[in-house]
Amino acid sequence: AQSVTQPDIHITVSEGASLELRCNYSYGATPYLFWYVQSPGQGLQLLLKYFSGDTLVQGIKGFEAEFKRSQSSFNLRKPSVHWSDAAEYFCAVGPTGQLIWGAGTKLIIKP
Amino acid sequence: DGGITQSPKYLFRKEGQNVTLSCEQNLNHDAMYWYRQDPGQGLRLIYYSQIVNDFQKGDIAEGYSVSREKKESFPLTVTSAQKNPTAFYLCASSMRGETQYFGPGTRLLVL
Repeated sequence: AQSVTQPDIHITVSEGASLELRCNYSYGATPYLFWYVQSPGQGLQLLLKYFSGDTLVQGIKGFEAEFKRSQSSFNLRKPSVHWSDAAEYFCAVGPTGQLIWGAGTKLIIKP
Repeated sequence: DGGITQSPKYLFRKEGQNVTLSCEQNLNHDAMYWYRQDPGQGLRLIYYSQIVNDFQKGDIAEGYSVSREKKESFPLTVTSAQKNPTAFYLCASSMRGETQYFGPGTRLLVL
């Protein structure tokens, strides 16, 4: 069955520390891969996407993600988080018209 | 300014009442989507439309209906058959085969 797993429901990180949010997927072929961010009560904003080519993808707000085919993973990273990064992060995979979504990881920033 | 608008921001439904959520986009996107978001869960697809006058059921279409009479508009009706309508509803649009972009959402509450 096709699925997306974000193993961490919550992650707490100190401001200025590095961040890695995990995303693992089960999919029959190499899917398109996405990370979106959602602030409370808001819509989702696209952080970055992977369609093909270089497996290290740069996104907005200083985020990057690496596609690892052998591990079926697409982890999101940021070298130094800011208080404004506190939000919920969603990983999604699939053909663009029928995305499969992870349950999300809520990022909490400690001052 | 191009984008996706959803209205209203908050909507209250009485028992046995149908309510309609509005979604409009001026991005000239072909495809539009409706998602439901519940706490602690990823997004679940309700309906999607790839072209005017055509739409398909998603994973949780029961109790919902849509229309796509104009390219820029994709209203969602939550019918009285939907017994648990309280949720955050997100509309998205995309060019065919391209990335989905999201509106700000509508929160539906039951009185």
